[in-house]
Amino acid sequence: GAVVSQHPSRVICKSGTSVKIECRSLDFQATTMFWYRQFPKQSLMLMATSNEGSKATYEQGVEKDKFLINHASLTLSTLTVTSAHPEDSSFYICSARAQTGVYEQYFGPGTRLTVT
Amino acid sequence: GENVEQHPSTLSVQEGDSAVIKCTYSDSASNYFPWYKQELGKGPQLIIDIRSNVGEKKDQRIAVTLNKTAKHFSLHITETQPEDSAVYFCASLTDSWGKLQFGAGTQVVVTP
Repeated sequence: GAVVSQHPSRVICKSGTSVKIECRSLDFQATTMFWYRQFPKQSLMLMATSNEGSKATYEQGVEKDKFLINHASLTLSTLTVTSAHPEDSSFYICSARAQTGVYEQYFGPGTRLTVT
Repeated sequence: GENVEQHPSTLSVQEGDSAVIKCTYSDSASNYFPWYKQELGKGPQLIIDIRSNVGEKKDQRIAVTLNKTAKHFSLHITETQPEDSAVYFCASLTDSWGKLQFGAGTQVVVTP
């Protein structure tokens, strides 16, 4: 199957700082990438959808100025958590879809963010 | 909008027995139904999927069945092994440019 990587796998940062998470599709070009967050023992919650070269579409309740998403190329999307606070601590997961008309989505391994 | 319900929330089975997880969806326009396996601390892994023009799909020990009339689909794992222990999520998709709607997940524990 298709491979999606994320970097870093875990990060600890201090309150008030910003953190960038990278998501890469390694063996296919991803026209659409998705960002999710997941709290312990819960399902995945979609934060935003990004299409290459255009602005991300955020889900209701997700602050677009706090969670900056950039999808600059067909293989890379980044999520920047700005002015992080302890409540932003979570497991962030990206997924990628190859092209319009293709249904399959492949997930990255996730990034554990801890804000102290 | 689409709503996906998943049952049971936890499932404990003896090694070698079968496990069945059921999901129901609300939007009759949904036409793609993937299943994901998530191990602790890892991202979800696509294990099998089915499209609305197919009633059943099998891949070795796992199978998925779809009943469009009743709007439910199920994951079947036969001859379970300890490495099948994980959280399993069902999901549905209405169109190829849309977003997945996930069920709440099922924690499967396979005991030796």
